[in-house]
Formats: sequence, structure tokens, C-alpha cells
Amino acid sequence: EIVLTQSPGTLSLSPGERATLSCRASHLISRDFLAWYQRKPGQAPRLLIFGASNRATGIPDRFSGSGSGTDFTLTISRLEPEDFALYFCQQYGNPPLTFGGGTKVEIK
Amino acid sequence: QVQLVQAGAEVRKPGASVKVSCKASGYTFTGYYLHWLRQAPGQGLEWMGWINPNSGGTHSSQKFQGRVTMTGDPSISTAYMEMKRLTSDDTAVYFCARTPESGYPYYFEYWGQGTLVTVSS
Repeated sequence: EIVLTQSPGTLSLSPGERATLSCRASHLISRDFLAWYQRKPGQAPRLLIFGASNRATGIPDRFSGSGSGTDFTLTISRLEPEDFALYFCQQYGNPPLTFGGGTKVEIK
Repeated sequence: QVQLVQAGAEVRKPGASVKVSCKASGYTFTGYYLHWLRQAPGQGLEWMGWINPNSGGTHSSQKFQGRVTMTGDPSISTAYMEMKRLTSDDTAVYFCARTPESGYPYYFEYWGQGTLVTVSS
């Protein structure tokens, strides 16, 4: 199975700053089938990005995804107070589905 | 709008079973596979399997085969995940989730709020 490694584990930033989150796969992800999610305590995960770079419905354009193959990035261009949360990636190109361990974006 | 509603928390002793429910609304229940996932404390999410509510067919991760049963009741738009022979390693939040489109690809736009299952003697 494909192992997804996210880095850094924690990102300490201030509102208005840019956040860059990495998701690296142990093997090539077929068709760049990679998604990103946001999760806040006590809430269900929220889909942000699918297909590596496609924003889900209703997701603000400050969220963007990029990358291909084994290296993917989620960028939040200017952090809003509500963006401080846990972010994790998921690959769905190669069974079984697998998830990264997550990056916590916290207020500096 | 699409909603997946899960019951609250469950506590079980080691060796027992648990059945987690997921009530769907806002769409045709039989039109979309429902997936089950879990997240143990300090761990990443883990995909467990899916059920096709239309046919009752299921597919689970090899890790859970033989210990997890997924079922659905279209009359009440509810899916269930039953896990047997629980151990402390099964302590986790269990989620049901649905893809945006019917079938593949399997990324998840709709999620239940999760059911915390605690296994403790």
C-alpha cells in the first residue's frame, strides 16, 4: 500500500501568513488522485482539494493544491483565523485508500 | 442537503462487539456507496471498507475482513458497521463517508460527525 508522509508535523504561523504543507507518497499515485482535507476538533473532515489541484465546492481560492506523482503540496495563501486546524492528505489512485498522518496548523 | 448522522459514543469491553449506525438524508440512499473509516488517537485515518446500499454488496480492507460486517437498511436510509472481537487497539472515532459521485473515485465530500468507540475493561 502507498504510505503518505506529511510534513511538517506542526506549522506555527500568524494570520495573514502563507502556509505550505507537503504530502509525499512512497510510490507513484495513479492519475494524481490525491485529496486534501481539513479537520477541526469535534467536527467531520472537510474536503478541500481533489485530483491534486481541484478545489471542492465552496472552498475559498486561498486554498490551492499542486504537485504530481509522489510529491504534493497544499498552499493556503493568507491564513484566516478559521484556517487553524489539522490538514491531511488522502490518495485514492491505488487500492487500498490511504491517508497521511496530518499537519497541524497552529497560531504562532 | 446531504447529511450523514451518526450516533454518539459507545463503550465496550475487550472481546465484545459494537454496531455503529449512519443515517443518510438529502439524497437517494441506494444511489451511492457508503464508506467506513476510523481514526485512532494520535493516528491517521484508516479506510475500512464500503457498502453498496443498493445491492448489499461490500468490500473491506484486508485488515478488517472476517471481523467487520457492513450492512444497510434502505427502508430507513441507514448503514451499519459491526465490529467483533474488539481490543483496545480498536478504540477510535469511526466515520461513515460518501463520495461526491456514485462509485469511483473514492474521495469523500460528505462525512458523518463520527462515533467514538472506546474499548476498555
